[in-house]
Formats: sequence, C-alpha cells, structure tokens
Amino acid sequence: GAVVSQHPSWVICKSGTSVKIECRSLDFQATTMFWYRQFPKQSLMLMATSNEGSKATYEQGVEKDKFLINHASLTLSTLTVTSAHPEDSSFYICSARIQGTYNSPLHFGNGTRLTVT
Amino acid sequence: AQKVTQAQTEISVVEKEDVTLDCVYETRDTTYYLFWYKQPPSGELVFLIRRNSFDEQNEISGRYSWNFQKSTSSFNFTITASQVVDSAVYFCALSDTQGGSEKLVFGKGTKLTVNP
Repeated sequence: GAVVSQHPSWVICKSGTSVKIECRSLDFQATTMFWYRQFPKQSLMLMATSNEGSKATYEQGVEKDKFLINHASLTLSTLTVTSAHPEDSSFYICSARIQGTYNSPLHFGNGTRLTVT
Repeated sequence: AQKVTQAQTEISVVEKEDVTLDCVYETRDTTYYLFWYKQPPSGELVFLIRRNSFDEQNEISGRYSWNFQKSTSSFNFTITASQVVDSAVYFCALSDTQGGSEKLVFGKGTKLTVNP
C-alpha cells in the first residue's frame, strides 16, 4: 500500500516551453504533498509544500511563478515548470504523507527526469 | 535550523563486508524524527526506517541495523554482510516541524558501492 505515482518518468522539452509533472497518491489520501529537486550527485532539496485546496508554500529561493503547484484534490498534485530553461534540467521527485498521520514516513514517487534543450 | 551531515560521500566495499554509514544531525526540537532512505540507480526513494527522538533503542532488521545515540546526535546505519544489491545512495533525514510543515531535511547522501 501507500503508492505514489509520478508521471512522466522522464521528459525532454525545448527551452521556453512549459512542462507539467503529476504526482498521485494511488491508494491513500494526502492533504500534503512535497516537491523536491535533486541535482546530479546531490541531495534532495525541498522546493515547496503542496496543500490541498490552498496555496503552496515555497522554500526560500524558489520562484513561485516559475514552478507552479496545484493541489486540486486529495490524491493529485501537479508541478508545472513554466518557460523552462536548461538550468531547470534536474530530477524532480514528489512525496506524500497519508492524511491524518504526523511524521509518518513520506512515500515517494519514482521521480521525473527533466531535460531542457 | 535543522541540519543533517553525512560526512562520507562515497564508500566502496567488497561483498560480504560490513559497512557503517554515518549520520549526524542538528536540531533544537525536543521531539523529532530521523529517517533513512535508499535511492537505487533507478531513482526512487525507498523508506528504510523511522525513529523518534524518545526511542534510543537500537534496531535490527535482517542485515540492517541502526544505532541512535542522542548524546552525540548520531543515527548511524550498518549493513552486515553487504551484497551487490545494496549498492545505492543512502540518505539520512530529519523531520523539520517548524511552522508545522512536517517536511524532511536530507543529508547529502552516501553512495555505497558493493563490489562482487
């Protein structure tokens, strides 16, 4: 149980275009989802906390207008990288916690590798 | 602010050797949680363990064991009789409850390579 599905697994796009990444909790509801970014051989850096039905909370230094997050339901959060540039190329991974639990393990998606050419 | 330090960037061992991955953390919270995750080459993060700050008992799960020492703010992970399939990047993480966000702060990870 507690499966998080992330789609797509990889995407290549041209500079200037926008890319949407989906994060779904398949067998549980998640009030909160988290979006992380990972550069090659580096750690996971939290980008934002996605809250169902309200605005996302962004970490310092993360551009809200560039990384649009929508959490329209208890099972789906989306991250849209707008006007992507090569420096946005990275591994994006989402995570979710089962609704109503506190500090329980985060369940991670398989990640999306974005390459901007 | 919360901080997790994994001083070992890369470790290489031969199969069947024991290996310990170090994790040192900093926090001002009195209640917190520590985690270990495994990231194989495929990229997904696999949950290994969660430990709360009030439980200092060591834990063993098969070939894996964890040593939590609050006095030294460490939460080390040992793999006994390592196998090639253990090759992965291992992340230690600490819960950050500031603002009630319950987010995780990750260390930089330790890349473990187990050679046959």
